[in-house]
Amino acid sequence: QKEVEQDPGPLSVPEGAIVSLNCTYSNSAFQYFMWYRQYSRKGPELLMYTYSSGNKEDGRFTAQVDKSSKYISLFIRDSQPSDSATYLCAMEGSSNTGKLIFGQGTTLQVKP
Amino acid sequence: KAGVTQTPRYLIKTRGQQVTLSCSPISGHRSVSWYQQTPGQGLQFLFEYFSETQRNKGNFPGRFSGRQFSNSRSEMNVSTLELGDSALYLCASRQVTSYEQYFGPGTRLTVT
Repeated sequence: QKEVEQDPGPLSVPEGAIVSLNCTYSNSAFQYFMWYRQYSRKGPELLMYTYSSGNKEDGRFTAQVDKSSKYISLFIRDSQPSDSATYLCAMEGSSNTGKLIFGQGTTLQVKP
Repeated sequence: KAGVTQTPRYLIKTRGQQVTLSCSPISGHRSVSWYQQTPGQGLQFLFEYFSETQRNKGNFPGRFSGRQFSNSRSEMNVSTLELGDSALYLCASRQVTSYEQYFGPGTRLTVT
């Protein structure tokens, strides 16, 4: 079993929809949680970064962490065709090793 | 501020050859991590360097090695290439006091 599980999709939604992307994890030592967006043939781009449990909002994006359930989410409001990409969750423990553990990524397509 | 740069962007090598990839971190970032991305395995951690020292290593064979220079630039080397080494190789940099990693565009290596 992988440490981080993420449904690969693909997920297809109409423009303007609210998108929910999720990851579950098994290692209770994870404290730092990130969401990356990766366009085809590009490197991952850091979207959201949260520490421990709670919510964080940045524009149309909201990240949620529920450590008790070992579950993290990324919500995208008013989705746009330009949001079509692969979304990767990543996490790390508190030992600051520089080693991120990634989910497999969810491919999102937003249709105009 | 300039982002993480990686050279070359594309490489084609023959099985048995060796290859060296280069990464220049964001100015002021002294930690560099390397990852391998494949469709089957996703993003996997290779190693992390800080102050010219490898601090952490992923589960890859000894054919994969790296180094970091005093200006924080990093290189990774893969010797005796195998077909399975075909992948996107990504480097990421961060400030050592932060968990947020910023990725470069990657080097796409094809082994024939």
